[in-house]
Amino acid sequence: TQLLEQSPQFLSIQEGENLTVYCNSSSVFSSLQWYRQEPGEGPVLLVTVVTGGEVKKLKRLTFQFGDARKDSSLHITAAQPGDTGLYLCAGERRDTGRRALTFGSGTRLQVQP
Amino acid sequence: GAGVSQSPRYKVAKRGQDVALRCDPISGHVSLFWYQQALGQGPEFLTYFQNEAQLDKSGLPSDRFFAERPEGSVSTLKIQRTQQEDSAVYLCASSWRTSGSSYNEQFFGPGTRLTVL
Repeated sequence: TQLLEQSPQFLSIQEGENLTVYCNSSSVFSSLQWYRQEPGEGPVLLVTVVTGGEVKKLKRLTFQFGDARKDSSLHITAAQPGDTGLYLCAGERRDTGRRALTFGSGTRLQVQP
Repeated sequence: GAGVSQSPRYKVAKRGQDVALRCDPISGHVSLFWYQQALGQGPEFLTYFQNEAQLDKSGLPSDRFFAERPEGSVSTLKIQRTQQEDSAVYLCASSWRTSGSSYNEQFFGPGTRLTVL
């Protein structure tokens, strides 16, 4: 069982559409990070959210951290082919105090031109 | 370079061989992490260093896996007597934050893809 559940696992959409990716857990996280990974490369950090209810915007990407710090969402407006990739959420668990990140299994996004 | 670098990028080993994977973190970064990423999955934690001290090795799957960071900079992940289930991408990440920080942002290298035949 994955500690961080991401949905959907796969998403294929047309350029210009909007989409939302969800990251859910029963555990509380000190912080949560979103990464994008392309084939053959390591994950690239997009954003870190640390406060419950926090909303951050990065151009067409909007990230939200749940009030209880157990879940997060990523919303992309007017998706472009360059948004194609594997989106990963990752968090530091509050209960263990470990520095390691716990990752979700990822959402693979394909944006068709 | 400015980012985390890893070498080799690709490694093919015969079952039973030993391999060594290298990570050069971002200069000045105190913390270093190793993760294992199976095909189609998110990375899974292996081990964590703060400077030269290995503070957490709870994710190492067996005693065949060993990691070191003797001078608090470059790190090596060694896998002895490789098995087919060791085939994966091994990712290294570094962070400037220490264990006392409220959160840490980790910056990843490109990974080493290990294939065990």
